Amino acid sequence: EIVLTQSPGTLSLSPGERATLSCRASQSVSNNYLAWYQQKPGQAPRLLIYDASSRATGIPDRFSGSGSGTDFTLTISRLEPEDFAVYYCQQYGRSLLTFGGGTKVEIK
Amino acid sequence: EVQMLESGGGLVQPGGSLRLSCAASGFTFNTYAMNWVRQAPGKGLEWVSAISASGGSTYYADSVKGRFTIYRDTSKNTLYLQMNNLRADDTAVYFCAKDVRGVIPYYFDSWGQGTLVTVSS
Repeated sequence: EIVLTQSPGTLSLSPGERATLSCRASQSVSNNYLAWYQQKPGQAPRLLIYDASSRATGIPDRFSGSGSGTDFTLTISRLEPEDFAVYYCQQYGRSLLTFGGGTKVEIK
Repeated sequence: EVQMLESGGGLVQPGGSLRLSCAASGFTFNTYAMNWVRQAPGKGLEWVSAISASGGSTYYADSVKGRFTIYRDTSKNTLYLQMNNLRADDTAVYFCAKDVRGVIPYYFDSWGQGTLVTVSS
């Protein structure tokens, strides 16, 4: 099983600031098969990024993904009020799928 | 519009059973793999199980293997999760999630709103 570790656990930032979220895998993720999701309280998760760096349909270009192998990053270039939420990474390089523990982006 | 509506959650005693359903619409159901993902109260996401588009291949997290069974009925566009020998740590909101591929589980582009399962005496 590939274990995904997200850091930091909580990120306190102000609107307009840049957010950088990390997802580290316990072993290399084949083909960089890594996705990112956003979840707001009481809602289902929403797909943001797949294949480590491809934006899903309808996702604003302030969201970007990067990385390869074991280290991946989600960057939100300028935080909008609606971006304050919890973000999860998920690997699909193995058929035993796993999620990271999440990073909460909160308003400072 | 892709929609998935879960049902079947509720309160069950430890050791009991429950069957969850997910009614899907807005896409060609027999083309895509489907998944169950759960979220314990106040916790993160945990992938539970997946089934291929044909129903011929199934996948399970170690935590539920041997206790849960995933299956699908193409004639009803419905996904199921039969949960047996339930434990307190199975308490969670269970989400149905549409995969982007048909054979092996990948990632999820649409989710239902979830159904709450509570295992308690």
